[in-house]
Amino acid sequence: QVQLVQSGAEVKKPGASVKVSCKASGYTFTSYGISWVRQAPGQGLEWMGWISAYNGNTNYAQKLQGRVTMTTDTSTSTAYMELRSLRSDDTAVYYCAREIAESDAFDIWGQGTMVTVSS
Amino acid sequence: QSALTQPPSASGSPGQSVTISCTGTSSDVGGYNYVSWYQQHPGKAPKLMIYEVSKRPSGVPDRFSGSKSGNTASLTVSGLQAEDEADYYCSSYAGSNNSLDFGTGTKVTVL
Repeated sequence: QVQLVQSGAEVKKPGASVKVSCKASGYTFTSYGISWVRQAPGQGLEWMGWISAYNGNTNYAQKLQGRVTMTTDTSTSTAYMELRSLRSDDTAVYYCAREIAESDAFDIWGQGTMVTVSS
Repeated sequence: QSALTQPPSASGSPGQSVTISCTGTSSDVGGYNYVSWYQQHPGKAPKLMIYEVSKRPSGVPDRFSGSKSGNTASLTVSGLQAEDEADYYCSSYAGSNNSLDFGTGTKVTVL
């Protein structure tokens, strides 16, 4: 079946970096874009950015520009999101999600990865 | 990147209907037909319920419907069922920043 499986929970210190993976299966990876969305504890959803699995083009949320990098490895159908210079307010569940072509809607979501930033 | 405005809560009895609003601006909701709605149960990933204002993905019951008027989009859940109790988020493409904005979220309670 179509699914996205994410890497496990992470605990990081302030100032460190984290890299979360998202492995796709059940569909042609390069035919869809992947977005990353995060949710702080008890809070709403926040879009972080998007990457085309076809050509690697990216579009990042302005507030994260310079701290986030999204990449893909088409040989393993895996997307990655790296966030640097972590702060306590980066503590959140991070989701990857497949985008329905040209609709800005996400039909398949990963299970989420909890990233905790604490000294 | 600005959050779209949703009411914090909404409720209804089983079998009734509930409508959730999502208010933005002409730069997002009002300017594009790229409004989506997501349902999220506690501890779970969001689930797509409506996309492109009023389209339903396969498998989503037709009790869920979407619409838009001006800068406000709406999600209506008809024939409320216990399993509809969840948080609901809208989202919209925001052309001014070439980004995606989410709504503040609405907790739907089935009385």
